[in-house]
Amino acid sequence: DAGITQSPRHKVTETGTPVTLRCHQTENHRYMYWYRQDPGHGLRLIHYSYGVKDTDKGEVSDGYSVSRSKTEDFLLTLESATSSQTSVYFCAITSNWRQETQYFGPGTRLLVL
Amino acid sequence: AQSVSQHNHHVILSEAASLELGCNYSYGGTVNLFWYVQYPGQHLQLLLKYFSGDPLVKGIKGFEAEFIKSKFSFNLRKPSVQWSDTAEYFCAVTRTDSWGKLQFGAGTQVVVTP
Repeated sequence: DAGITQSPRHKVTETGTPVTLRCHQTENHRYMYWYRQDPGHGLRLIHYSYGVKDTDKGEVSDGYSVSRSKTEDFLLTLESATSSQTSVYFCAITSNWRQETQYFGPGTRLLVL
Repeated sequence: AQSVSQHNHHVILSEAASLELGCNYSYGGTVNLFWYVQYPGQHLQLLLKYFSGDPLVKGIKGFEAEFIKSKFSFNLRKPSVQWSDTAEYFCAVTRTDSWGKLQFGAGTQVVVTP
């Protein structure tokens, strides 16, 4: 398995609170991604990063921000959590976005009450 | 609009039966195609991928998929399933206008009964 960890693995929070999820990789891969997984939707891309301090929006970026200050860490922040952000969040990495496979982390299950 | 369609949301079959899961995408340009599997409680793992060349691709655990460009399809097959194949299966695509951004289908939940 690719060296990807996510923390926390489970979190329960209340509406309106900020939440930060962390993705950490030991592969030194350039590209990192955050997805959310919801029934009936598969996985949808939230944000991605193509290098340190280089990030861009994905398909469902509203309400989320990201930061990448080091190659190995990619943080996803929910500025003010809403119940619609209850989901399972997956981080993924790849070394070459044109030809390489994305490898996924174990996921973070977030419940917003 | 969903650009990756998986036709079956739930499939139930018995051990030793054959499995075929459909996947269609709606993009006329060059694509990379993937099938991922998610076993209960686990993260996504790559089953197989197609970038170019032979349109019949073999993956892990006896799975294979065929890319039919004219039909915009990339169907997954396994001749004889086992109980351990119970999982959710996702088709995914990257496109020339958005390399690196995987677009997933909604997934197919497969249950194999003993």
